[in-house]
Formats: sequence, C-alpha cells, structure tokens
Amino acid sequence: QKEVEQDPGPLSVPEGAIVSLNCTYSNSAFQYFMWYRQYSRKGPELLMYTYSSGNKEDGRFTAQVDKSSKYISLFIRDSQPSDSATYLCALSGGGADGLTFGKGTHLIIQP
Amino acid sequence: DSGVTQTPKHLITATGQRVTLRCSPRSGDLSVYWYQQSLDQGLQFLIQYYNGEERAKGNILERFSAQQFPDLHSELNLSSLELGDSALYFCASSEGAHEKLFFGSGTQLSVL
Repeated sequence: QKEVEQDPGPLSVPEGAIVSLNCTYSNSAFQYFMWYRQYSRKGPELLMYTYSSGNKEDGRFTAQVDKSSKYISLFIRDSQPSDSATYLCALSGGGADGLTFGKGTHLIIQP
Repeated sequence: DSGVTQTPKHLITATGQRVTLRCSPRSGDLSVYWYQQSLDQGLQFLIQYYNGEERAKGNILERFSAQQFPDLHSELNLSSLELGDSALYFCASSEGAHEKLFFGSGTQLSVL
C-alpha cells in the first residue's frame, strides 16, 4: 500500500461547479497537510496548509482533514477555467524528511 | 513568482554525462529540498539541506549528490546519466526545517 493515494483523474467538470479532490494516506504520523496546484510544466504552488484535523477556508478553497479516517479533501467553489491544473496533496510528519506527495489529480474546468 | 530560482530551465545531454543543477532559495529560507518529477513516479523527494548541512535523504541515487553553500544556494549534481534520469527536477525552499515549501520553476533534464 502506498503512503499516499490520489486519483489521477482526469476530473472534468463544468465551470461554476463545486470540485472535490481527495487523498487517503496510511501513515498516522502525518500531522501537516498541504495542497499544491501545478500548472503544466511549472513548479507546484502552495494553496492550502493545515495542521492536524479540521477545516480551513481561503476564498473559494476549503481544505478538510480527517485524521481518524486518514482522509483529506480540497473543495473548490465556483470553479473557473483558470483552476484547470494538477492538484497534489502533500503530507508531512514534521520530521526532517520533506513532504510526501500524492501523484496528483488532473482537473479540467470546462467553460 | 515563488522567489526560488532554478537554472538552467532546460538541459539536454547524452548518456554517461554529468550535469549540475543550481538553486537559489527564497531570501531568508534556510532549507533547500530537491525533488524529481516524472510522469510515472510523481514528485519524489531526493534530499534536503538545512543551513549548509544535509538534513534528510530520500530516494536519491548514489550517482546523484548535492550540497548547500554558505550563501545558501544549492547544487544538485547528476553523473553517469541514464535515459531514465530524464525528468523535471525541482528545488524548493522553506524558512525552517519542515515547513511550507516554495518551489522553483524546475529544470527539465533530457538525457538522449
């Protein structure tokens, strides 16, 4: 079983829809949870950063962490064509081992 | 713009050769990370340096090495290159040892 599982997609939704992106993980030591957005052949860009369980909202983006289920989510409201990108979840145990990334979900927002 | 600078943006070389990738972290960031991204493997952590010292090693091959200099810039050296080393190599930096990472725009390495 891989440490972090993420559906690669592609996930195609119409403009204005609510998008739900998810990751599951197996290592209960993960405490820091992040979502990165990556446009084609560009560097990943940090979108959301949360510590432990709970919700965090930033504009149209909401991140949820359920440590009991080892499940994290990113919701995008009022999706726009410019949101079309690959979204990667990233997890850390807080130790000196960098981030563990999911393989990313390719999201397409249709105008 | 993340503030992390990577050079060169593209590198084309032949098998068996050696290349050096360079990274300048964001101003004030002490940690530098190197990641490799390929289509089938996703983002793979290679190595981390914190204030000049190696902090953690991931899936880095013995043919690869890195260092962080006193001015905090870092270099990733790839030697005896193989076709399978073709990938996007990203540098990231963070203020502390394990905080939010900010990525550069990457170096696309093509080994022919």
